[in-house]
Amino acid sequence: DAGVTQSPTHLIKTRGQQVTLRCSPKSGHDTVSWYQQALGQGPQFIFQYYEEEERQRGNFPDRFSGHQFPNYSSELNVNALLLGDSALYLCASSPGGGYQPQHFGDGTRLSIL
Amino acid sequence: DAKTTQPPSMDCAEGRAANLPCNHSTISGNEYVYWYRQIHSQGPQYIIHGLKNNETNEMASLIITEDRKSSTLILPHATLRDTAVYYCIVRVYNTNAGKSTFGDGTTLTVKP
Repeated sequence: DAGVTQSPTHLIKTRGQQVTLRCSPKSGHDTVSWYQQALGQGPQFIFQYYEEEERQRGNFPDRFSGHQFPNYSSELNVNALLLGDSALYLCASSPGGGYQPQHFGDGTRLSIL
Repeated sequence: DAKTTQPPSMDCAEGRAANLPCNHSTISGNEYVYWYRQIHSQGPQYIIHGLKNNETNEMASLIITEDRKSSTLILPHATLRDTAVYYCIVRVYNTNAGKSTFGDGTTLTVKP
């Protein structure tokens, strides 16, 4: 049973560009969340998708947007990249709400030059 | 979501039990306690969770105090591979529960 998979594993972009990161949730999971983790810090919640809609959002600007597809996979888009967007971006999935734990992928390491 | 407080670092001898504390004094009645760990360059790995009863699985045990204001994660026989950052999180039971609020965690170093 495959866990949460993310692609690509590493990405290098320059300031001002845009980027799309992808996530496939664990089998049986329909809720996907995205987190940003700067070096040496804990993950910070960006937003969560359920039934193809954004349900919760953390303290991130509108440059960060997302999408969830009918097969529950998800994309994270970041526009007008800044140096400060360099981080590990983590995707987490869980079954439809309740107390079940989230399961995380190994992330996409995004570097902005 | 309630905030959690963890010591920044701890050491443990290989083969001994590792006891990692977490304070969550503002926890609400509908919030669960979850523990994750993160090994360098990997995503957080789920360990265990609980509401008010002690829990045990193949990885660890979770002890939650009666007033639910603190908890302890116990790794019964720590190995070198248990060296990681451990995060304690409290999260509301919710039909669309997606947000987990991470602090800076505890860096556990298991020494030979």
